[in-house]
Amino acid sequence: GAVVSQHPSRVICKSGTSVKIECRSLDFQATTMFWYRQFPKQSLMLMATSNEGSKATYEQGVEKDKFLINHASLTLSTLTVTSAHPEDSSFYICSARVPSLSTDTQYFGPGTRLTVL
Amino acid sequence: AQSVTQLDSHVSVSEGTPVLLRCNYSSSYSPSLFWYVQHPNKGLQLLLKYTSAATLVKGINGFEAEFKKSETSFHLTKPSAHMSDAAEYFCVVRRDDKIIFGKGTRLHILP
Repeated sequence: GAVVSQHPSRVICKSGTSVKIECRSLDFQATTMFWYRQFPKQSLMLMATSNEGSKATYEQGVEKDKFLINHASLTLSTLTVTSAHPEDSSFYICSARVPSLSTDTQYFGPGTRLTVL
Repeated sequence: AQSVTQLDSHVSVSEGTPVLLRCNYSSSYSPSLFWYVQHPNKGLQLLLKYTSAATLVKGINGFEAEFKKSETSFHLTKPSAHMSDAAEYFCVVRRDDKIIFGKGTRLHILP
């Protein structure tokens, strides 16, 4: 199946710094990518939908100025956590939809563990 | 509004015995339902999906799920558990272009 990668897999940063997470579709072009956040022992929560060449659509309660999403190409979307704080520590997962398949089919990256000290 | 409830946060079964992971959904119309599996340090993988074609859906690795509208359930089953099945399983419902995850069920396989 289609492959989605994320980089880095783990990152530790100091409070107040910014962290960028990359999501790449390796063998297909993804016009739409999604960013999720998973809190410990909880479900994945959709943060935003990223469309190539346009502004991301954020879910209610997600601060768009804090979680900057850029989808500059058909194979790359980035999530930047700005001025990170300990409460931003979480597991972030991206997914990409394969255009040739139904809207139901998404392929997920392996996730990025962010720890803010 | 659509939502999905996974009734068990942890399930333990012995190797070779059947697996049952329960999922109930609420939806105002006929839903699209999925089961995903997440192995440690790996990405989510689609096990199977229901999109109103057949109520019994067969997936990968011997898993299957049955859509029961009267019970608003979509439970995941496997006749015989294998050690490699130990993972976290997510029941998912689709809302428009977005998917909503259940809280997950951790499956433990006992030797």
